[in-house]
Amino acid sequence: ILNVEQSPQSLHVQEGDSTNFTCSFPSSNFYALHWYRWETAKSPEALFVMTLNGDEKKKGRISATLNTKEGYSYLYIKGSQPEDSATYLCAFVSAGGTSYGKLTFGQGTILTVHP
Amino acid sequence: KAGVTQTPRYLIKTRGQQVTLSCSPISGHRSVSWYQQTPGQGLQFLFEYFSETQRNKGNFPGRFSGRQFSNSRSEMNVSTLELGDSALYLCASSPTGFGNTIYFGEGSWLTVV
Repeated sequence: ILNVEQSPQSLHVQEGDSTNFTCSFPSSNFYALHWYRWETAKSPEALFVMTLNGDEKKKGRISATLNTKEGYSYLYIKGSQPEDSATYLCAFVSAGGTSYGKLTFGQGTILTVHP
Repeated sequence: KAGVTQTPRYLIKTRGQQVTLSCSPISGHRSVSWYQQTPGQGLQFLFEYFSETQRNKGNFPGRFSGRQFSNSRSEMNVSTLELGDSALYLCASSPTGFGNTIYFGEGSWLTVV
């Protein structure tokens, strides 16, 4: 059974604060790590797909890093805005033919940004 | 480009009934996968289809089944509904189902009473 853990479970920050979350995943049999943002009543929005150790990706004020050797990824949000309030999910893809279409999700980090 | 479309968005069923949910993937995407979201379990993988073939299956009982049509549209069926099947069911599509960004629909909310 694959274990994907996210921390913290929830986070409250003030507008303008920078914040980061952690995703831990198995360091063996790694293929890819996905990050999603999921706002209430909407579909999960793909943020990043990360595949290489040391990968850094950026999209506006959001960036992510990947360490496959130790099995963790960080998601950073710089200068949080109220519209960043959402659940942030990471999802692990293992190598091998049994992984077609299969994302193993963490429980998510619920971010609330207060004006 | 239209996104992943799921129907119906909301439905209420009685224990013992069966339900069929539909998913239209993004045009050109041949892989469709299904997930169940419950408060206690988070997002759990149900199964994946590619070119009308099930390639992967999660740990769900046989009451959960699916299929994919030649136009890549997919349906999932749950028979003999139980209260615990109440959940959000998400459909996702991608070009190949492996190594690509996977795009999700807004989901179908199923309540079993």
